[in-house]
Amino acid sequence: GENVEQHPSTLSVQEGDSAVIKCTYSDSASNYFPWYKQELGKRPQLIIDIRSNVGEKKDQRIAVTLNKTAKHFSLHITETQPEDSAVYFCAASINSSASKIIFGSGTRLSIRP
Amino acid sequence: DTEVTQTPKHLVMGMTNKKSLKCEQHMGHRAMYWYKQKAKKPPELMFVYSYEKLSINESVPSRFSPECPNSSLLNLHLHALQPEDSALYLCASSQVPGNEDTQYFGPGTRLTVL
Repeated sequence: GENVEQHPSTLSVQEGDSAVIKCTYSDSASNYFPWYKQELGKRPQLIIDIRSNVGEKKDQRIAVTLNKTAKHFSLHITETQPEDSAVYFCAASINSSASKIIFGSGTRLSIRP
Repeated sequence: DTEVTQTPKHLVMGMTNKKSLKCEQHMGHRAMYWYKQKAKKPPELMFVYSYEKLSINESVPSRFSPECPNSSLLNLHLHALQPEDSALYLCASSQVPGNEDTQYFGPGTRLTVL
């Protein structure tokens, strides 16, 4: 079945520096790759997503890149701020008939002041 | 209304109790989902409803019983749960099943089974 691997599991960066989280997936038919941010005690919130017909997408300080050949995608956060501290989950679609997604194991991002 | 809402926020129940979790959305979404999330783990899919019909059951034990009374509401009926069922239960919805649309999550119900 589909497997999504996410690295690193924890990441600590200095405020103002960049953070990169990487994911790989196994199902070559996957076409949709969302990223969710979950703060402690809160709901997962979509921060950016990408579909397989594009290689990169950017929204202010957040960008996602997709390499379909290598089956990996990455989240880039630039100019990190304290409010970026959270757990980030990547995900990949595995069943287009039901919008089913599989999540990576998560990355706990801490921003050092 | 652009949110998924869930009630209650917290629920404590004994192993012999029967309770229900409720989820509601008024965005006109036709796919709704139940997820279970344990601490420090990703959400784990339990059920998917497409156009009010159950389309995916991820081999969930029968002590969890989903129900979709209409396109805006999703319930999860709980009976004879075990302590290991304690978790955050998240509801989500997406616009149209099958188009890999964004899933929007509710705030969750934190369930404790004693």
